[in-house]
Amino acid sequence: EPEVTQTPSHQVTQMGQEVILRCVPISNHLYFYWYRQILGQKVEFLVSFYNNEISEKSEIFDDQFSVERPDGSNFTLKIRSTKLEDSAMYFCASSENYGDTQYFGPGTRLTVL
Amino acid sequence: GDSVTQMEGPVTLSEEAFLTINCTYTATGYPSLFWYVQYPGEGLQLLLKATKADDKGSNKGFEATYRKETTSFHLEKGSVQVSDSAVYFCALSDPQYGNKLVFGAGTILRVKS
Repeated sequence: EPEVTQTPSHQVTQMGQEVILRCVPISNHLYFYWYRQILGQKVEFLVSFYNNEISEKSEIFDDQFSVERPDGSNFTLKIRSTKLEDSAMYFCASSENYGDTQYFGPGTRLTVL
Repeated sequence: GDSVTQMEGPVTLSEEAFLTINCTYTATGYPSLFWYVQYPGEGLQLLLKATKADDKGSNKGFEATYRKETTSFHLEKGSVQVSDSAVYFCALSDPQYGNKLVFGAGTILRVKS
């Protein structure tokens, strides 16, 4: 069964460093998403991406964040200058079309020291 | 804005007990409703969904009915197993107002043998 994959599973970085989280969505899916879950808090929407551009973003998704589909398979989330409060589990998801079920990856745990 | 409220956990049950996890929502449109499950060390998996009022979603013995009059989508299972131990997330999506999922806080379920 096709699945969303994410790498790395755990990333540790120093405050102020740039990190790139990687995702491989399900191959025939057209919509891609990033969510995050700070420990003990709700899963929160960050951004959705379609046709090589952002279709929707939350207030959390400020200028520190960017997304990219650098090739036909990967979907990345970049955090330019990490802050302590960026420590969270980051989930990638994809759906075949708008409004369809979103399928999630296993997540990347980001720890900012 | 849209929101989802779930009963707090953890919920601890003995094997074969009846399970109910309450979920209520607030939405301006006509959302689709979902239950996602997260097993230890894994990502979010869709458990079941309902897209309109009075629909019943079901999967693996779990079921939930979309109740518009009470704005609820409670998760039930008649006889839980140890393998059902996980975190359960209620979520909504309203494609009229974007494609993002709005999650509840999650409920930890622990089933003892």
